[in-house]
Amino acid sequence: GQQLNQSPQSMFIQEGEDVSMNCTSSSIFNTWLWYKQDPGEGPVLLIALYKAGELTSNGRLTAQFGITRKDSFLNISASIPSDVGIYFCAGLRNQGGKLIFGQGTELSVKP
Amino acid sequence: DTEVTQTPKHLVMGMTNKKSLKCEQHMGHRAMYWYKQKAKKPPELMFVYSYEKLSINESVPSRFSPECPNSSLLNLHLHALQPEDSALYLCASSQFNRGTNEKLFFGSGTQLSVL
Repeated sequence: GQQLNQSPQSMFIQEGEDVSMNCTSSSIFNTWLWYKQDPGEGPVLLIALYKAGELTSNGRLTAQFGITRKDSFLNISASIPSDVGIYFCAGLRNQGGKLIFGQGTELSVKP
Repeated sequence: DTEVTQTPKHLVMGMTNKKSLKCEQHMGHRAMYWYKQKAKKPPELMFVYSYEKLSINESVPSRFSPECPNSSLLNLHLHALQPEDSALYLCASSQFNRGTNEKLFFGSGTQLSVL
């Protein structure tokens, strides 16, 4: 099915480093959502973005809704071991519609 | 409270069995979703219910049968599944209220193994 282009696919970083990942699409979205998923668990919502150009923070996480409405990025500052997991971006065009997911970025943090 | 509760957490079933997955939310959300997820892949949409009515069916095989008894509950009935149906099944809900910003909350999933 339709998917977003999310990169990188995986990252191996040292504790304390900053992390950046992004998603791009050929289509416009009205909502961008960023999730983190641990093995065997459901995705947990980290940040929700609703306006083009919007920059939102949640603790060490910062995400932006691209001006063109076709992209978004997520930054994690000063990574810690519990940041390990798979991060998914997701785009939504309308309420109650189909949430389109990126392929995920698998993050590994070395203490 | 942003909790979506799914039961059971794990399920093993044979290809001739009939079983049901259950999902519950008490956030007053009016849209509920079933997703299927294979390991390290993104979730794939199966069904969407809006105001207790089926609004999206992503061409899911009939051996999966969804049901929305009321605005808080969502079931997925399983019958004659195949081994390739083994996956993590996720339920989600969203407010679906005009004028509010939409966001989906997921449950912790049911890990299904079909033998």
